[in-house]
Amino acid sequence: AQKVTQAQTEISVVEKEDVTLDCVYETRDTTYYLFWYKQPPSGELVFLIRRNSFDEQNEISGRYSWNFQKSTSSFNFTITASQVVDSAVYFCALSEFTGTASKLTFGTGTRLQVTL
Amino acid sequence: DTAVSQTPKYLVTQMGNDKSIKCEQNLGHDTMYWYKQDSKKFLKIMFSYNNKELIINETVPNRFSPKSPDKAHLNLHINSLELGDSAVYFCASSQGGGGAHEQYFGPGTRLTVT
Repeated sequence: AQKVTQAQTEISVVEKEDVTLDCVYETRDTTYYLFWYKQPPSGELVFLIRRNSFDEQNEISGRYSWNFQKSTSSFNFTITASQVVDSAVYFCALSEFTGTASKLTFGTGTRLQVTL
Repeated sequence: DTAVSQTPKYLVTQMGNDKSIKCEQNLGHDTMYWYKQDSKKFLKIMFSYNNKELIINETVPNRFSPKSPDKAHLNLHINSLELGDSAVYFCASSQGGGGAHEQYFGPGTRLTVT
């Protein structure tokens, strides 16, 4: 069975600090997809990034960057120069490719608190 | 212009009642989902529909019955509500159910059973 572990329950940083959110996954499949979602205090779930298991290139989008390492089954998320608006719960998720049906398995989330 | 919408946003009801949550997506996706987020923020899939056909049913009590009248709609009906049903319910959609595509979520429906 697939599993996603986000060991950091809560992280507090001061604005402008860099912060890395860890994500470790378990799967038996060779083809799978990894995602990060953001849930701000308003409650909606916002898609941030998707990565497939064959693409180990790191990705950068503005202040956000993602480090995918298959060797350690990790897909970590770094926010550079954090801002108060980054305060949210961040979820890592894993989807196995089944052809017709998939289950998105979420980690338990990491609550990020950015203060002034 | 809302991509995935849910109604109502808040639902407060008493134990034993029956209630429905509606979901609509205007993204042209063919797969829709229901997720439950508990008080500890844990998100778990309940159902998945692809082209109006049920493809995932995650051992959810049969008091929960999803219905998909067309590809753009997936409603959730809950009979005989229990205290433990209190949660936030999210609808989502994606293009394809094979897991390769990101899912877009609705704003959630906060259900409180008293």
